[in-house]
Amino acid sequence: GAVVSQHPSWVICKSGTSVKIECRSLDFQATTMFWYRQFPKQSLMLMATSNEGSKATYEQGVEKDKFLINHASLTLSTLTVTSAHPEDSSFYICSALLASSYEQYFGPGTRLTVT
Amino acid sequence: AQKVTQAQTEISVVEKEDVTLDCVYETRDTTYYLFWYKQPPSGELVFLIRRNSFDEQNEISGRYSWNFQKSTSSFNFTITASQVVDSAVYFCALSEAYTNAGKSTFGDGTTLTVKP
Repeated sequence: GAVVSQHPSWVICKSGTSVKIECRSLDFQATTMFWYRQFPKQSLMLMATSNEGSKATYEQGVEKDKFLINHASLTLSTLTVTSAHPEDSSFYICSALLASSYEQYFGPGTRLTVT
Repeated sequence: AQKVTQAQTEISVVEKEDVTLDCVYETRDTTYYLFWYKQPPSGELVFLIRRNSFDEQNEISGRYSWNFQKSTSSFNFTITASQVVDSAVYFCALSEAYTNAGKSTFGDGTTLTVKP
């Protein structure tokens, strides 16, 4: 199957700082990637759809100015959590869509802790 | 709007028992995908199966089997002869088809504990 990576796998940052998470499709091109968030012992919630070369589409209730998404190439999407606060601490998971089969491949996730 | 319900929050069984995880979904789409994922403590989602809405055939893969009943909007997952390594959180998910296939709605998950 196709491989999606995320970097970093975990990050600790101080309140008020920004942190960038990368999502890469390693062996296929993905015009569409997705960002999910999972709080402890909860389900995954879709945050936004990342489209290569255009603006991301955010789900209701997700602050687009706080969670900046850039999809500058067919293999890379980035999520930047700006001015992070402890309530942003979560597990962030990306996925990439293989257009030829409409199969979704998930990255391993990034655990963010804001102190 | 799409919705996935996994009524069983936690299930505990003894090794070698069979266990069924329930999943009920709601959607207005005529074409959609259904999924099951396993999430071990590491957090990484492990893909188990994807089923198209027009394919109601049951599937068996080793000790795993899935029962898709469109009439009752259910997509249940059975593990036969459970093992300790099956302990994890299992998520059922639903997505639109084709270009929106990545926009998945997840259930709340069922935590399965298999005791030796």
